[in-house]
Amino acid sequence: DTGVSQNPRHKITKRGQNVTFRCDPISEHNRLYWYRQTLGQGPEFLTYFQNEAQLEKSRLLSDRFSAERPKGSFSTLEIQRTEQGDSAMYLCASSVQGSGNTIYFGEGSWLTVV
Amino acid sequence: QKEVEQNSGPLSVPEGAIASLNCTYSDRGSQSFFWYRQYSGKSPELIMFIYSNGDKEDGRFTAQLNKASQYVSLLIRDSQPSDSATYLCAVTPQGGSEKLVFGKGTKLTVNP
Repeated sequence: DTGVSQNPRHKITKRGQNVTFRCDPISEHNRLYWYRQTLGQGPEFLTYFQNEAQLEKSRLLSDRFSAERPKGSFSTLEIQRTEQGDSAMYLCASSVQGSGNTIYFGEGSWLTVV
Repeated sequence: QKEVEQNSGPLSVPEGAIASLNCTYSDRGSQSFFWYRQYSGKSPELIMFIYSNGDKEDGRFTAQLNKASQYVSLLIRDSQPSDSATYLCAVTPQGGSEKLVFGKGTKLTVNP
C-alpha cells in the first residue's frame, strides 16, 4: 500500500524565489489537502481538493500561494516570491469521500527560506 | 479563544503507566475528533478517531469524547518509551468545512 508521497522532502531557497511542491495521494483517494506546520504549532489548513476541484481555501493562502490538481490525481503547491515567514513544513494529506474526514498525511516537505 | 486547546506539556510518565492527554474545543457543533501522533521531525500519524460520546478503544489506546463538556481525551495504557512523541488533537468544525483544526499538541515523554 503506497502512502501519500511528497517531494522534494527538503528545499532551501533564497528569499524572493519561487518554489513548487508536489504531492501524490494514496491511490483511489479523491480528496487531497494541503496543510502548513511551523515549529511548536499544529498543522494549519491551507486548501482542499475533491478530484480536480479546489473546494476550500484558507485565508492563510495569500495571493503568493497557488495550488492545482489538474487531473484529479497529483497536486502541486507553488509559493511565489518566498518570504522568510514561509519557512515551514508543508504537509499533503488525502482521504476518501465519505470517510468522515479521516485524512492521512505524507512525510511533508520542509521549506527553509534564507 | 483558541479553537482547539491542549496542554503543551511536556507530560512525563514512567514506562508502564497510563498517559492521559486532554483536549478542549470551542465549536460546539464539531462532529469528528481525531488524535494524531507526531515524532520529532516527522509528519503526523493518525492513531484514533471518534465521532460519538463515550469511549473508543483500540489496543493500548482509548479515546474519550464528551460533547456536552466539549472535551476529548486520549489514554495510553502500558506506556512505552516508543510512545514518546507529540500528540495532536484535531476536530472538524461545523458548517460543512472539510478542514481539520488542530491543537498545538502535547509532548509526551515516557521514561524507561
